[in-house]
Amino acid sequence: AQSVAQPEDQVNVAEGNPLTVKCTYSVSGNPYLFWYVQYPNRGLQFLLKYITGDNLVKGSYGFEAEFNKSQTSFHLKKPSALVSDSALYFCAVRAGLSGTYKYIFGTGTRLKVLA
Amino acid sequence: ETGVTQSPTHLIKTRGQQVTLRCSSQSGHNTVSWYQQALGQGPQFIFQYYREEENGRGNFPPRFSGLQFPNYSSELNVNALELDDSALYLCASSLPPNQETQYFGPGTRLLVL
Repeated sequence: AQSVAQPEDQVNVAEGNPLTVKCTYSVSGNPYLFWYVQYPNRGLQFLLKYITGDNLVKGSYGFEAEFNKSQTSFHLKKPSALVSDSALYFCAVRAGLSGTYKYIFGTGTRLKVLA
Repeated sequence: ETGVTQSPTHLIKTRGQQVTLRCSSQSGHNTVSWYQQALGQGPQFIFQYYREEENGRGNFPPRFSGLQFPNYSSELNVNALELDDSALYLCASSLPPNQETQYFGPGTRLLVL
């Protein structure tokens, strides 16, 4: 079965420290991978995506993610966390072919950056 | 450039009723997807429409149906509402050639009593 796993419900990090939010996936073929962020009472915002090419992708607000095919992981990272980064983060994957696409989201990881 | 808008913002229905939710996609975006997000969960993919045709569907029963109009706006219809249908319903639009990048609306919160 196709799935996305975010093993941590919450990640706490001190402001200025590096942060990592973990994601692993299980899909057939070559998946498209995404990270989205959700702030309270707002819709999801696109952060970054991996389709092909360089395993390290850079996105909005200084975030980056590393695609690791052998470990089927796509962890979100940021070198120096800000209090304003505190939000709910979702990893997602698009599977299937045109006409039969499925988008699968993880259950989310709440990031709390402490001042 | 206007973002994705959804209406209504909140809705209360009773079990067995039918509901229609509406979405206006971002300017020029011809692909629309719908998601159900239950409290404390990640979004669950319902279906996607591209140029008025269904372009993918998640594991939702047929009582969840949709439409996309020539102006690319979209409707989600849910028949025979059940208590478990209570959730935030999100619409997302995208634009070729980057159809995989989705821009989400604020959602419609549906409560089924």
